[in-house]
Amino acid sequence: TQLLEQSPQFLSIQEGENLTVYCNSSSVFSSLQWYRQEPGEGPVLLVTVVTGGEVKKLKRLTFQFGDARKDSSLHITAAQTGDTGLYLCAGEAVGDGNKLVFGAGTILRVKS
Amino acid sequence: DSGVTQTPKHLITATGQRVTLRCSPRSGDLSVYWYQQSLDQGLQFLIQYYNGEERAKGNILERFSAQQFPDLHSELNLSSLELGDSALYFCASSALGRRPEAFFGQGTRLTVV
Repeated sequence: TQLLEQSPQFLSIQEGENLTVYCNSSSVFSSLQWYRQEPGEGPVLLVTVVTGGEVKKLKRLTFQFGDARKDSSLHITAAQTGDTGLYLCAGEAVGDGNKLVFGAGTILRVKS
Repeated sequence: DSGVTQTPKHLITATGQRVTLRCSPRSGDLSVYWYQQSLDQGLQFLIQYYNGEERAKGNILERFSAQQFPDLHSELNLSSLELGDSALYFCASSALGRRPEAFFGQGTRLTVV
C-alpha cells in the first residue's frame, strides 16, 4: 500500500490542454515535494510546499498543498511537449521522521 | 548537477552474476535511498539508510542488499542476477529534517543478458 497515492497513473493529452495531477494520503505531511523525471534521467526537484493551503507557481505549473496537509495537486496550464515526463510527489509524514516516501508517479505524455 | 554521484553509469552482465552499484551522496546529506525503475515504470523504493543505519525497507529482493559506510557513501549489491533485474537503479540523498528534499543521481542502467 502506497502512503502517497498519485492519480492518474498515466495521462496522454494534446499540446495546449490543461491538466491536474493529484497526490493523496490519509497521513499528514510536514512538507511535500514534486519532482519531474525525463526518460533516462534522475528525478529533479520542482518545488516544496510546507504550509497547509499553500500555493506555489512555477511558470505554467501551479502546486497546491491541501489545508490539512494530506494532499497536493499539480496543475499545468497549456501543456507543451516539453512537459512530457514522470511526475512524482514525495513527503515526510508527521510522526514518521527521517523517512521520505514517494508516490508511484504520473506518466504524462503531451502530444503535438 | 545534483551533487549525487552514481557509478557505473552502465553495466552489462550475465544472468547469475553479482554486481555492486555505488553512490556518493551530496556533501552533508545523511540519508541515502535506493530505487529501481523498470521501463516506463515509476520508482520502486528499495531501501533507505540514515547515517549508516538501515532506516526503511521497501520491495527489495533477498538477493539484493545494501549498506552505508562511515563516509556516508552507499553500495547496492545485486546477486544471482536474473533478466528481470534489468532496470535503472537510482540513488538519492537527503538531509531530511529541515531540508527533506531528495537529490537524485543520474542512475545506473543495468542490463542482464
